Amino acid sequence: DGGITQSPKYLFRKEGQNVTLSCEQNLNHDAMYWYRQDPGQGLRLIYYSQIVNDFQKGDIAEGYSVSREKKESFPLTVTSAQKNPTAFYLCASSINGRINEKLFFGSGTQLSVL
Amino acid sequence: GENVEQHPSTLSVQEGDSAVIKCTYSDSASNYFPWYKQELGKRPQLIIDIRSNVGEKKDQRIAVTLNKTAKHFSLHITETQPEDSAVYFCAASKSLNTGFQKLVFGTGTRLLVSP
Repeated sequence: DGGITQSPKYLFRKEGQNVTLSCEQNLNHDAMYWYRQDPGQGLRLIYYSQIVNDFQKGDIAEGYSVSREKKESFPLTVTSAQKNPTAFYLCASSINGRINEKLFFGSGTQLSVL
Repeated sequence: GENVEQHPSTLSVQEGDSAVIKCTYSDSASNYFPWYKQELGKRPQLIIDIRSNVGEKKDQRIAVTLNKTAKHFSLHITETQPEDSAVYFCAASKSLNTGFQKLVFGTGTRLLVSP
């Protein structure tokens, strides 16, 4: 089954803890993205990567970090510096991040603070 | 920076009625406007999009209109069905210097279609 896989579906973070959200795609897409979804706020871009070994900050990158060591993988780490991490996190990919491209989304990870 | 406003936040209609969702954008350089549908518990999926050189686009029961002068675009759903119930997100996109497409999403509209 081709597409984007996010794991885990639910994740709990303790105070001061870093947690990592997984995102894997087998669509052979160059571009990958992380969005944060809060109730009533739509989707906000955290980080994006246009190609392997390169990534850029989005609109709300503070408290987050990413890596792009492999084309198919774009993990997101929510660090202890992110003071309000509770949200639904969506990973997405597109062919190469160019205009008019359709985004393919994963099924999301709900992160909550214990 | 780019801002996209979306209205209404919730919309309730009877089955068979039409539904209209409106968005406005701030950056006149935006040139691509997709709409995504997110059913409860599922991932967002593209349902229709429009480019800045087109004023209207239709796909069966859904249509999108774009007014570049006023910087607003709308989603129209005719003959609504219960399976149209979902959250709909509009977005505006422009190309950055790197050629990368940056999408800015609206805040979403929860559409409820009652039988």
